[in-house]
Amino acid sequence: DSGVTQTPKHLITATGQRVTLRCSPRSGDLSVYWYQQSLDQGLQFLIHYYNGEERAKGNILERFSAQQFPDLHSELNLSSLELGDSALYFCASSKRGQELNTEAFFGQGTRLTVV
Amino acid sequence: LAKTTQPISMDSYEGQEVNITCSHNNIATNDYITWYQQFPSQGPRFIIQGYKTKVTNEVASLFIPADRKSSTLSLPRVSLSDTAVYYCLVGGGGGSYIPTFGRGTSLIVHP
Repeated sequence: DSGVTQTPKHLITATGQRVTLRCSPRSGDLSVYWYQQSLDQGLQFLIHYYNGEERAKGNILERFSAQQFPDLHSELNLSSLELGDSALYFCASSKRGQELNTEAFFGQGTRLTVV
Repeated sequence: LAKTTQPISMDSYEGQEVNITCSHNNIATNDYITWYQQFPSQGPRFIIQGYKTKVTNEVASLFIPADRKSSTLSLPRVSLSDTAVYYCLVGGGGGSYIPTFGRGTSLIVHP
């Protein structure tokens, strides 16, 4: 158990809908990262938050947004869903977003299926 | 961001030692080298991290030559449960660190 909790574990929804994925980082971790993993794209970095502030964006679509709350949990919002958004979405946390390379702890992921 | 190159796949047999080499020719002075393991439908899991020379833990060893342009993850006496994808990451030398994953090496351990 990495200490990172993601909910829900599975989500099935229709095209055009909006969903929210939730991530609770390890206790004390300030950084939260979101990743998307599909079969043909590998593990793609989406966005990084540190202590409530957005720090970096990766290949995140404009239909996707995220935020990190004062209690450090994070939510990833996916809207106007398309079939191609079907993927595993991972959240990871680490103590710092800057300076030294630090170990990132990953949750078990949310498997999103868009039908 | 330093780019990494690893073999796409490797095959081994139970009980053998497996060495996976990663090339990172443009590694920065302050960058660390980190390896992760990922099983199907699970999040990646940290295996080992190093800066130079050799690092060993209960799971693996990491060999880093003096020029740091490559690194080798060594898994002693693999078992079927070591079948997974192994990722080599380089970074963390300063500024905001984003763990960036390539396609990794798919290791299949045969009975």
